[in-house]
Amino acid sequence: TQLLEQSPQFLSIQEGENLTVYCNSSSVFSSLQWYRQEPGEGPVLLVTVVTGGEVKKLKRLTFQFGDARKDSSLHITAAQPGDTGLYLCAVHNAGNNRKLIWGLGTSLAVNP
Amino acid sequence: NAGVTQTPKFQVLKTGQSMTLQCAQDMNHEYMSWYRQDPGMGLRLIHYSVGAGITDQGEVPNGYNVSRSTTEDFPLRLLSAAPSQTSVYFCASSYARHKGSDTQYFGPGTRLTVL
Repeated sequence: TQLLEQSPQFLSIQEGENLTVYCNSSSVFSSLQWYRQEPGEGPVLLVTVVTGGEVKKLKRLTFQFGDARKDSSLHITAAQPGDTGLYLCAVHNAGNNRKLIWGLGTSLAVNP
Repeated sequence: NAGVTQTPKFQVLKTGQSMTLQCAQDMNHEYMSWYRQDPGMGLRLIHYSVGAGITDQGEVPNGYNVSRSTTEDFPLRLLSAAPSQTSVYFCASSYARHKGSDTQYFGPGTRLTVL
């Protein structure tokens, strides 16, 4: 059983469309991170959210941390082909702060 | 800064061969780790280190060894390669400031195939 459930697993959309992907858990976290991994590369941090209800914006990307700090969403407005990639959420293991727990990711393809 | 570098980029091994995957970072990060990424399995932690001379096991350590003689370098050794070790391997580093929000910096990965 995955501690972090990401949905949808795959998403293929046309350029200009909006989309939302989710990272859900039954556990409470002190912080949650979103990474994007482009094909053939390592993951790159997009954002860290730490406060329940927090909303952060990064250009066309909007990140929200749930009020109860158990889930998060990533909304992309007017998607572009450059947004194509694997979107991963991650949290730190409460028992061992050194270890990150990763979701399986949402693979997004934005077609021109 | 070069960030996190990994070599080689690609490698093909025969079953039973050994090899070392190299990882180096020039950001003076205390924390370094190795992951493998497989379809449907996500990123899984192999080994990690919180500083020179200190290493610990992750969730899938069997068949791999690590050492941390310097802050900069964290090589991963495959002792006797098996087809099950075919994967993409990522090295990552971060400041170890006891904060769950530390940024992980990843290398570009090594794509390993074991025949």
